[in-house]
Amino acid sequence: KNEVEQSPQNLTAQEGEFITINCSYSVGISALHWLQQHPGGGIVSLFMLSSGKKKHGRLIATINIQEKHSSLHITASHPRDSAVYICAVEEDSNYQLIWGAGTKLIIKP
Amino acid sequence: EPEVTQTPSHQVTQMGQEVILRCVPISNHLYFYWYRQILGQKVEFLVSFYNNEISEKSEIFDDQFSVERPDGSNFTLKIRSTKLEDSAMYFCASSRTGVPRETQYFGPGTRLLVL
Repeated sequence: KNEVEQSPQNLTAQEGEFITINCSYSVGISALHWLQQHPGGGIVSLFMLSSGKKKHGRLIATINIQEKHSSLHITASHPRDSAVYICAVEEDSNYQLIWGAGTKLIIKP
Repeated sequence: EPEVTQTPSHQVTQMGQEVILRCVPISNHLYFYWYRQILGQKVEFLVSFYNNEISEKSEIFDDQFSVERPDGSNFTLKIRSTKLEDSAMYFCASSRTGVPRETQYFGPGTRLLVL
């Protein structure tokens, strides 16, 4: 079974800083998802990746299949980016999403 | 923009009671999912549903749980006899297709408290 590890667990930064959140997993996957969970609990999908890199606004997600590693970057961070960012993977063998524990990001003005 | 809706937003129930959590997926989506998140813990997959049957289920999804699409718009999760440890946030999600995988859209969640 896949183990999904995220780092750091908690991250506090100043507005404007470049943010990197990392995710590693242990076995082959068909896709990796980055999701955002707001303080009220709601979950929003940010990216789904199976290779390479995707960009949406100030968010960039990359994945290295060989190294079983993905990163989520936020450029020009803003206090409204404060949330929990979660990595989740789909294994080759089934359709279940296996979730990481999340990275709690706080951006201070 | 279409969205997944869930009702109720909060539910408090007594241990041993049955609860039904309701979800309305996005209308042209074909794949439906339930997840749960116990307070302070990771989100966990419960079940996926396609073409009126379960596609995948996790070890958590035992005989106490069932899912149904009773009328073509609602997607329900029933817990037959709730236990204290069923207290969690339950999220419904839907996607347009399952293979190849597409983005899942999540509802706002139902917070279930079992006393």
